[in-house]
Amino acid sequence: DTEVTQTPKHLVMGMTNKKSLKCEQHMGHRAMYWYKQKAKKPPELMFVYSYEKLSINESVPSRFSPECPNSSLLNLHLHALQPEDSALYLCASSQAQDYNSPLHFGNGTRLTVT
Amino acid sequence: QKEVEQNSGPLSVPEGAIASLNCTYSDRVSQSFFWYRQYSGKSPELIMSIYSNGDKEDGRFTAQLNKASQYVSLLIRDSQPSDSATYLCAVNRVGGSNYKLTFGKGTLLTVNP
Repeated sequence: DTEVTQTPKHLVMGMTNKKSLKCEQHMGHRAMYWYKQKAKKPPELMFVYSYEKLSINESVPSRFSPECPNSSLLNLHLHALQPEDSALYLCASSQAQDYNSPLHFGNGTRLTVT
Repeated sequence: QKEVEQNSGPLSVPEGAIASLNCTYSDRVSQSFFWYRQYSGKSPELIMSIYSNGDKEDGRFTAQLNKASQYVSLLIRDSQPSDSATYLCAVNRVGGSNYKLTFGKGTLLTVNP
């Protein structure tokens, strides 16, 4: 079982909906990440939070809005998404945002935009 | 040149054989290297990390790193059908002043019983 918990596991939303993805870890990690993965493609980095502050935004469209309420929680708020945003959204955490801290992934949220 | 390159495969080996997976990277200042295994429909799972030149062994898995050649590999000994998955090479690079992990496209491995 993964120590990074993501909810929900599956989400279907319309293009006018607002929804949120949630991620929680209790490993004391201080860096948390959102990745997006399309079928048969590698994970693509979206956002990184380090010590609860946004450290990397990979030019993600504003319809995706991350939030890190505390060191254990990471949210991704979704609004006015497009069908091409359908993908597996992966949350990950690491001890720190440094070169020797491996990422540990949650099980992902499979998002379908209709 | 792509940042992290892997042969997409598929790589097919018989059960009990050695599977060899290869990865090259473009950024000479990269400092850490990881192999993740991803089963279809599941999330990536860390199986090996390597930081210095040479070999690192963990059970049936051996990671090899050659920074001069910008090359990292993963050997799986005594391959089992349960090893059938996509193997992702990941390289930790500095983006601005921050480290970020960049993945290769992955190699699909099939181990035939």
